[in-house]
Amino acid sequence: ETGVTQTPRHLVMGMTNKKSLKCEQHLGHNAMYWYKQSAKKPLELMFVYSLEERVENNSVPSRFSPECPNSSHLFLHLHTLQPEDSALYLCASSQALLGQGDLPLHFGNGTRLTVT
Amino acid sequence: KNQVEQSPQSLIILEGKNCTLQCNYTVSPFSNLRWYKQDTGRGPVSLTIMTFSENTKSNGRYTATLDADTKQSSLHITASQLSDSASYICVVSGGDDKIIFGKGTRLHILP
Repeated sequence: ETGVTQTPRHLVMGMTNKKSLKCEQHLGHNAMYWYKQSAKKPLELMFVYSLEERVENNSVPSRFSPECPNSSHLFLHLHTLQPEDSALYLCASSQALLGQGDLPLHFGNGTRLTVT
Repeated sequence: KNQVEQSPQSLIILEGKNCTLQCNYTVSPFSNLRWYKQDTGRGPVSLTIMTFSENTKSNGRYTATLDADTKQSSLHITASQLSDSASYICVVSGGDDKIIFGKGTRLHILP
């Protein structure tokens, strides 16, 4: 186990549905991240939270809405998605914001999202 | 433009053989370089991390090298095993807190 748990592992949703992805970390980390991984493309950073405050939003469409109620939990709320949003969504955490030392990212196993 | 280029895109080798994966980057300023292993259906797991002053680091059968002058890194896998079949991702951190991911190399080990 990586210490970062994501649910569900797989999700199929229609374009009019509303769903949420959940991430929980048991490592006592202060920073959490959402990444999108599409086939044959590098990981794309979507959102960064540090101590429950959003510190970065890489121009992600508003149909993706993050929520960080506490330092251990991170959600990604989804609504009116498009088929091109189908991808693996990875949650990660680090002890502090990356850049503040040589801190590794700890990834969850992702949610495989298919939008039909 | 900050970029991380990995080669080859995919690689197939026989079990027991050695292989080397390449990573070239243009990220500046440079902070550190990481190699991650991502098994199918799993999240990436850190293998090694190297800073500017380090030019080699090992983790079991995995050995990473870094040439900060030429901005190149390699990941050498010795005596490959079936469990080494995975994607290997090179990640470079810039001094301005930017983290740039490569597209990865997909490695297949055949019995």
